[in-house]
Amino acid sequence: GAGVSQSPSNKVTEKGKDVELRCDPISGHTALYWYRQSLGQGLEFLIYFQGNSAPDKSGLPSDRFSAERTGGSVSTLTIQRTQQEDSAVYLCASSSGTPQNSPLHFGNGTRLTVT
Amino acid sequence: KNEVEQSPQNLTAQEGEFITINCSYSVGISALHWLQQHPGGGIVSLFMLSSGKKKHGRLIATINIQEKHSSLHITASHPRDSAVYICVFNSGGSNYKLTFGKGTLLTVNP
Repeated sequence: GAGVSQSPSNKVTEKGKDVELRCDPISGHTALYWYRQSLGQGLEFLIYFQGNSAPDKSGLPSDRFSAERTGGSVSTLTIQRTQQEDSAVYLCASSSGTPQNSPLHFGNGTRLTVT
Repeated sequence: KNEVEQSPQNLTAQEGEFITINCSYSVGISALHWLQQHPGGGIVSLFMLSSGKKKHGRLIATINIQEKHSSLHITASHPRDSAVYICVFNSGGSNYKLTFGKGTLLTVNP
């Protein structure tokens, strides 16, 4: 079946604008993660959703960042009033179970450039 | 204080060489994943392990929970193995948060 799908694949936006990034996880996967990877840096945790539990938002860098997951499936990551330091590749991953027993499936990411 | 350290950061090898990438962590974990990221490409999960050793083709992953250490080995390396290799762990329980290593950039020359 289809893997994790992210859209758009590339997004260029002006500083101060809001952007929405979308992630379609693999059907049936209960866990969904958002990460970002800045140029030359490692992966930085942002947020994860697990089933109907409250999401772990501890990695969101500021209150300009928010994410939601509707119906336990599609997730959107919203960045308000974008700043140049928000430029990065935003990656989504999903998993059918816990990190202890299920492999991670990554999307190809959305490359965000804030000018 | 970094919870996870990967070494080396960069590794250049000749085709056919045996490769070892190391990952050490400082907290108790329930599972460790090895990921592969090709330049400009997506991330692929290679292994998920919580004990012992796993093998897939030319790739072998081992973990020693007591020593808080995992290794990824590549036998008979090939230029197509050139990628960034990342170890990731989870502390277990109800916490699904994942901690990523900074990655090892492997370049295999023909």
